Amino acid sequence: NAGVTQTPKFRILKIGQSMTLQCTQDMNHNYMYWYRQDPGMGLKLIYYSVGAGITDKGEVPNGYNVSRSTTEDFPLRLELAAPSQTSVYFCASVRTGHGYTFGSGTRLTVV
Amino acid sequence: GQQLNQSPQSMFIQEGEDVSMNCTSSSIFNTWLWYKQEPGEGPVLLIALYKAGELTSNGRLTAQFGITRKDSFLNISASIPSDVGIYFCAGPAGTALIFGKGTTLSVSS
Repeated sequence: NAGVTQTPKFRILKIGQSMTLQCTQDMNHNYMYWYRQDPGMGLKLIYYSVGAGITDKGEVPNGYNVSRSTTEDFPLRLELAAPSQTSVYFCASVRTGHGYTFGSGTRLTVV
Repeated sequence: GQQLNQSPQSMFIQEGEDVSMNCTSSSIFNTWLWYKQEPGEGPVLLIALYKAGELTSNGRLTAQFGITRKDSFLNISASIPSDVGIYFCAGPAGTALIFGKGTTLSVSS
């Protein structure tokens, strides 16, 4: 099993550009999450989804959008990149409970 | 909102030493989890605790669910170089998890 796959691994964006961070899981998990990790700050929840067609905001949703058209995919969209969005982004999934499986992350720099 | 406070923020130890770290909250949790993140990777679940007072081991790792349900502890015995990483505590917040800021562990051989 591939688990949770995130692409790209690294990206540099210019201020104002847009991009989509991809996340795919092959474990048929219902729940999927996007977190961002800043140095020394732990992981902050951006958006989450409890199933296809259902999404909800987390702690830090401003500047981001998500969609969940299939069980497998949960892309995160940045519409107008800002330097404050420089971070490492992690996608995670779980069938039930709290034993999340995380992807290996996307390191994004906005310049 | 809910917050998890981890300490210490970082630790520098010699191989073979035992390590202890903890996590506290102002709110009661029904579940405590400990994750480890290695450089360039996502966090990986080490131990999950579901009951106040519970003591659970995973190899050289032992975690405890505090009886007040507002804290948890993680101990690593006889540390080795591959224990290097960031250790996070986490607890449920609705259908998601909230994470502490992490304890960064460095081990010198």
